[in-house]
Amino acid sequence: SQQGEEDPQALSIQEGENATMNCSYKTSINNLQWYRQNSGRGLVHLILIRSNEREKHSGRLRVTLDTSKKSSSLLITASRAADTASYFCATDGVYDYKLSFGAGTTVTVRA
Amino acid sequence: ETGVTQSPTHLIKTRGQQVTLRCSSQSGHNTVSWYQQALGQGPQFIFQYYREEENGRGNFPPRFSGLQFPNYSSELNVNALELDDSALYLCASSFSPDRGRYEQYFGPGTRLTVT
Repeated sequence: SQQGEEDPQALSIQEGENATMNCSYKTSINNLQWYRQNSGRGLVHLILIRSNEREKHSGRLRVTLDTSKKSSSLLITASRAADTASYFCATDGVYDYKLSFGAGTTVTVRA
Repeated sequence: ETGVTQSPTHLIKTRGQQVTLRCSSQSGHNTVSWYQQALGQGPQFIFQYYREEENGRGNFPPRFSGLQFPNYSSELNVNALELDDSALYLCASSFSPDRGRYEQYFGPGTRLTVT
């Protein structure tokens, strides 16, 4: 079973628009990470947010974390064709070392 | 590029056979984790190795086993292959197993097809 669930499952936007995707999880976490995956290849780490943080920025990425709602969001601003990929959130529990992934959001950026 | 390499890139095996997948971790990393990703799903944790010892295991049967070597590279072995083992196998290395405090860096994966 997977800890996280991303929403929506798929997203199609025009180049230049913003893309927002959400992640919900079930149990208490230590950290939450977002990864990108292109065409079923390896995962690229995007950003890590700790459980005591509420917001984090990295370039065109903005991540928020609401531990009371057990949810996170990833915002990609001014999207580009190269942002076309699947995006996964991953959490690690307070008492274990593994990363638990959701099923991902597939983002398509149209030129 | 993360510096994590995996071999082979693709592999086709027959049901019942055995397979060994290899991973070289990023320089300076002492922890390797293996994940299975079925088509259209997120990765599922198989197990983790820290300093050559298994350091946690997911819900996978004993026919999934692994090794970590003194240079921190790692192998994933799967015996008695089943059709459902067809997936992308990802390894990830990190500086420490310390509860996700350090980012895990993933390799490009090995695509295993079992016929």
